[in-house]
Amino acid sequence: KQEVTQIPAALSVPEGENLVLNCSFTDSAIYNLQWFRQDPGKGLTSLLLIQSSQREQTSGRLNASLDKSSGRSTLYIAASQPGDSATYLCAVLGGSNYKLTFGKGTLLTVNP
Amino acid sequence: KAGVTQTPRYLIKTRGQQVTLSCSPISGHRSVSWYQQTPGQGLQFLFEYFSETQRNKGNFPGRFSGRQFSNSRSEMNVSTLELGDSALYLCASNGRGTSGREITDTQYFGPGTRLTVL
Repeated sequence: KQEVTQIPAALSVPEGENLVLNCSFTDSAIYNLQWFRQDPGKGLTSLLLIQSSQREQTSGRLNASLDKSSGRSTLYIAASQPGDSATYLCAVLGGSNYKLTFGKGTLLTVNP
Repeated sequence: KAGVTQTPRYLIKTRGQQVTLSCSPISGHRSVSWYQQTPGQGLQFLFEYFSETQRNKGNFPGRFSGRQFSNSRSEMNVSTLELGDSALYLCASNGRGTSGREITDTQYFGPGTRLTVL
C-alpha cells in the first residue's frame, strides 16, 4: 500500500527566504508526482507535475525534483512571499486503479 | 476554459439522510474522480468515472456511490449519512482519453463541497 509522508508538517519563515518542502513515498512504482497548493477552505491548485521519467519541473519561483528510486521529492520555493502562505500537498499517481495518494501536507506561513 | 465546478458549495444534513453532490469537469474532459478530505484522514480517493463508467474505486463502503452522465458531469451520492461523513468532497477532472492524453496528465480540482452531518 502506497504511503506518502510530508515533512515538516508546518513551517514558518520570514518573507524573502528560500525554502524546501519534502515528500517521500513508499512504493516507487508511480506514474507521476504532483504538487498542489490548498488555501483554507478551498480546493486544490495544481502547481507542478513530474512524470516518472522526469527529474524536475520548474514554474516561476517553484522547482520540484523527483528521485523515484529513493522515493523522494522536494518542492523548492525561492524568495518566499506572504501570498505563498497555504498548505502544500504532494500526491503520487500509481497502482492499477490510477488513484492519487496524498500526503497530509505542509502548512506554510510566510511572515511579512 | 472554465474550471471544474461543484455544487452545492455547502450542505448541512442530519444523520440518516442522503445527499447528492454534483461536479462538472473542464470542457472536453471525460474523467472525473472524487476525493474525501477530513482533518484526520487527509485526502482519500473515492472513485473515478470515465465515459460514464466507473473505472476505479477506493476503500469506501457501499453507501458511497456515483454516476457520470453523457456530458461528463458526475454526481456522487451518500446514503444513510453518518457523523463521520462530514468532510470536504473534492472532484478532479482529467483529460484522459482526449487528444491522446493519458490519465497521467494533470488532475484539476474543483473548489469542493463542504458537507456537515449533524
